[in-house]
Amino acid sequence: AQTVTQSQPEMSVQEAETVTLSCTYDTSESDYYLFWYKQPPSRQMILVIRQEAYKQQNATENRFSVNFQKAAKSFSLKISDSQLGDAAMYFCAYTEEGSNYKLTFGKGTLLTVNP
Amino acid sequence: EADIYQTPRYLVIGTGKKITLECSQTMGHDKMYWYQQDPGMELHLIHYSYGVNSTEKGDLSSESTVSRIRTEHFPLTLESARPSHTSQYLCASARLAGGHSPTQYFGPGTRLTVL
Repeated sequence: AQTVTQSQPEMSVQEAETVTLSCTYDTSESDYYLFWYKQPPSRQMILVIRQEAYKQQNATENRFSVNFQKAAKSFSLKISDSQLGDAAMYFCAYTEEGSNYKLTFGKGTLLTVNP
Repeated sequence: EADIYQTPRYLVIGTGKKITLECSQTMGHDKMYWYQQDPGMELHLIHYSYGVNSTEKGDLSSESTVSRIRTEHFPLTLESARPSHTSQYLCASARLAGGHSPTQYFGPGTRLTVL
């Protein structure tokens, strides 16, 4: 079974600084998808960024970018110019066709942004 | 991004009551999902549906049941609520038909408390 590991239960960053959240996963598949989701306190889970495994180029969405290392099975999220609104629980997730595209989530990293 | 709605947002009920948590999406997504999120924020898939009249149990055993009579509607029912059912319930949907990327979009969640 696929597993997703987020080794940092909590992280903190100063406003305007850069922070990187780690995620590793285990799979024997070559074609799959990886996601970072953000869940602010008592608010909706929203998609931050998506990476298709067949794409070598790292995905970028404004201040959010990933470092996708397929051979190492690593998928870290970099948040640049951190803002107070970035404070949230961040989940790394994996899916593939073989699991009928069910998502496997990591346990989450709670990000605090200090003013 | 999908428009996906959940009602009620908050529910406090007594033990033994029958409840239905509503989930609707307006984007014509074929797949829908129910997750249970525990106090530690970990997410567990409890039900999913590939389409109308298709439902499957997820990875976490649940006493709840679901139905998918219409594409846009995926309600979850508890016949007799117990305090152990107290949790946050998240609904999600995705469009996979037509080769779309299997990205799940989440509703705002229902926070259920059973006294």
